[in-house]
Amino acid sequence: NAGVTQTPKFQVLKTGQSMTLQCAQDMNHNSMYWYRQDPGMGLRLIYYSASEGTTDKGEVPNGYNVSRLNKREFSLRLESAAPSQTSVYFCASILMGPTGELFFGEGSRLTVL
Amino acid sequence: GIQVEQSPPDLILQEGANSTLRCNFSDSVNNLQWFHQNPWGQLINLFYIPSGTKQNGRLSATTVATERYSLLYISSSQTTDSGVYFCAVTTSGTYKYIFGTGTRLKVLA
Repeated sequence: NAGVTQTPKFQVLKTGQSMTLQCAQDMNHNSMYWYRQDPGMGLRLIYYSASEGTTDKGEVPNGYNVSRLNKREFSLRLESAAPSQTSVYFCASILMGPTGELFFGEGSRLTVL
Repeated sequence: GIQVEQSPPDLILQEGANSTLRCNFSDSVNNLQWFHQNPWGQLINLFYIPSGTKQNGRLSATTVATERYSLLYISSSQTTDSGVYFCAVTTSGTYKYIFGTGTRLKVLA
């Protein structure tokens, strides 16, 4: 049982390049999330998907797009990367049922030069 | 939106000491979790505790939802407890899980 899997783990981009971070969960969870964590800082919510077919903005959505491909997969796309998007990105999922417990992937470290 | 503040921001302890970390939130919450982020960046679930008290070994947590705070207690601290502790909450009617500011803990041998 892998839990929440993120790819890639590391990526270096040049300013203006695009890329997609992939996230998949095998826990049959309803809701999925993307967070970013800048050095020495807390986690800030970028986008979330409460259920398959829906997506909503979080605290810091500018510069990002998301796709809830199916119940398992939630991708985050940077269309034109900027140095300010250098960060560690975490995907998470939740059943949002009796316990509402959030589970995280291991993170993807992105550097934009 | 809801504000989630944690205190203290930084804490240094000698091994064996006890500590209390606090999470204050500005609105009623449906869900509340405590996480430990280890020095390698991994986020580890500690407690799911929207109300009441739970214990797991040397760690325990209490949430007083009516007074809008939660406490994480660490007893007999060990160097492996070092890292950053976060609380995270959702409010009624939303699926947004918002994180607190974090407490950075360093336990010295």
